[in-house]
Amino acid sequence: EIVLTQSPGTLSLSPGERATLSCRASQSVGSRYLAWYQQKPGQAPRLLISGTSNRDTGIPDRFSGSGSGTDFTLTISRLEPEDFAVYYCQQYGTSLTFGGGTKVEIK
Amino acid sequence: QVQLVQSGAEVKKPGSSVKVSCKAPGGTFSSFAFSWVRQAPGQGLEWMGGIIPVFDTPRYAQKFQDRVTITADESTSTAYMELSSLRSDDTAVYYCAGGLGYTYANPFDYWGQGTLVTVSS
Repeated sequence: EIVLTQSPGTLSLSPGERATLSCRASQSVGSRYLAWYQQKPGQAPRLLISGTSNRDTGIPDRFSGSGSGTDFTLTISRLEPEDFAVYYCQQYGTSLTFGGGTKVEIK
Repeated sequence: QVQLVQSGAEVKKPGSSVKVSCKAPGGTFSSFAFSWVRQAPGQGLEWMGGIIPVFDTPRYAQKFQDRVTITADESTSTAYMELSSLRSDDTAVYYCAGGLGYTYANPFDYWGQGTLVTVSS
């Protein structure tokens, strides 16, 4: 099983700041098979990015994804109030696994 | 847009079973790759397994393969997840999720609203 480790566990930032979230895999993940989700309290997760860097329909361009192999990054260029949430990475190339999540909270 | 509608909250006794349903639009059902994901209170997401109705062969995460049964009923466009031998640590929100296409190798474009299962004596 591919284990995904997300860091940091919690990111305390102010609106307008840049957020950089990391997702590290225990073995190589094909770039096509890495996704990021956003989850707000009481809601189901929402797909933000698939294939490492492809934003889903309606996702603002302040969200961007990058990486390859075992290291992937989600960047939020300028945090808006609605971006404070928990973010999960997922690989779907070898079975399916999720990372443990990064909470982006208001500082 | 594909709307996945799940069954309502359940309260179960330890040792019993629970069966959660997930209804999809009829036109998309056969080509949808369903997965079940659970989230314990305050915890992360955990993939349990899935099914692609046209193939009708479920796939299970190793952790759950002895206790979970995932099925699909094409006549009602409904996928099911049954978890047996329930324990208190099975208390969680259970989501169905997935996407169109005859493969698990796609992200989860669509999610159900979640079903809270509480296991308590």
